[in-house]
Amino acid sequence: EPEVTQTPSHQVTQMGQEVILRCVPISNHLYFYWYRQILGQKVEFLVSFYNNEISEKSEIFDDQFSVERPDGSNFTLKIRSTKLEDSAMYFCASGRDHRTSGSSTDTQYFGPGTRLTVL
Amino acid sequence: GESVGLHLPTLSVQEGDNSIINCAYSNSASDYFIWYKQESGKGPQFIIDIRSNMDKRQGQRVTVLLNKTVKHLSLQIAATQPGDSAVYFCAEKKNSWGKLQFGAGTQVVVTP
Repeated sequence: EPEVTQTPSHQVTQMGQEVILRCVPISNHLYFYWYRQILGQKVEFLVSFYNNEISEKSEIFDDQFSVERPDGSNFTLKIRSTKLEDSAMYFCASGRDHRTSGSSTDTQYFGPGTRLTVL
Repeated sequence: GESVGLHLPTLSVQEGDNSIINCAYSNSASDYFIWYKQESGKGPQFIIDIRSNMDKRQGQRVTVLLNKTVKHLSLQIAATQPGDSAVYFCAEKKNSWGKLQFGAGTQVVVTP
């Protein structure tokens, strides 16, 4: 069964450094998402991406964040200058298979996450 | 602002019993409601969803009930097993491709 993959599983960085979190969404999916989960809290939406552009973003997704789909398979989240409060699990998700687009579910499937620790 | 939230932070269930996890939502514009399961160290795993034009949907050992009158969503797990131990999140979205807005989560602990 196809699945979303993410690398690395754990990233440790110094405050102020840039990090790039990588995701390979499920092939044939059209929509891509980044969420984050601070330890012990609920999952929060960051950004959605469709047709090579951002379709929606949250207040968390400020100008320190950016997303890119550099090729046909990868989807990346970049944090330009990390802050202590960026420490969290970052989840990538994908959805809406173009072969069944418009179906009632359009389920979002999540990757295993990248644990980002900012020191 | 509008939010999705859970009533119970922790639910302890004996193996073989049925579990009921509850969720309250406040966004009347949401059209889809979804339940995710998250095991320790893993990403959320889709369980079942329901659209706002339905009030009940059944899957394998799980049933989701939607009461739009009181803005309440529940997940029923039949014959709870040790593998069902996890945090369960309800989530909502306004359209099929939209962002998910998650609730706070309920920890389900299955005891032998």
